[in-house]
Amino acid sequence: DVKVTQSSRYLVKRTGEKVFLECVQDMDHENMFWYRQDPGLGLRLIYFSYDVKMKEKGDIPEGYSVSREKKERFSLILESASTNQTSMYLCASSLGGLAGATDTQYFGPGTRLTVL
Amino acid sequence: AQSVTQLGSHVSVSEGALVLLRCNYSSSVPPYLFWYVQYPNQGLQLLLKYTSAATLVKGINGFEAEFKKSETSFHLTKPSAHMSDAAEYFCAVSDKTSYDKVIFGPGTSLSVIP
Repeated sequence: DVKVTQSSRYLVKRTGEKVFLECVQDMDHENMFWYRQDPGLGLRLIYFSYDVKMKEKGDIPEGYSVSREKKERFSLILESASTNQTSMYLCASSLGGLAGATDTQYFGPGTRLTVL
Repeated sequence: AQSVTQLGSHVSVSEGALVLLRCNYSSSVPPYLFWYVQYPNQGLQLLLKYTSAATLVKGINGFEAEFKKSETSFHLTKPSAHMSDAAEYFCAVSDKTSYDKVIFGPGTSLSVIP
């Protein structure tokens, strides 16, 4: 089974702090994604990566950056956390390559971030 | 641009009753469509997906969905609800014009009443 793990289930930070959310997948997937989940809005894509050191902006990249130095690891960075970034953050991975648009995404359990 | 709408942010059914969760999409190209489920305090997992083969797609846990191009719909059904089906359900469409990223609907929360 594919396993996607996230570094923390719950995180509390203060406004202005730099926040790192880590995600690791163990199935050699090409693609990795960061979403935020808010009630009534579903999942919104922040950033995704289709290869090591490659990244693409999603729908809501403002206030976030990402890093993918190794294939299995994809980090989300909040340079200066703000209260409106309080949310559930979900990481996902998918096979990529020729599988393309029919890919199944495999999700981690999520990190619930509260910014005070 | 592709988009997904889910009618009803919250649906309640009695145990043993039919489950019907509605999903409509807009897409400029033939779509690939997905249903994902999120159980409490967990990430999402795939229920089923349509990839332009059979229009009636069977998934896990007795769920199925039918792709209807004329109605731009991909509704999810299950003949008999079980208490364990209580969860959040997300319909999604794959955006083949943009790195194959997936666009998710807002979700429908399903409650099952004993």
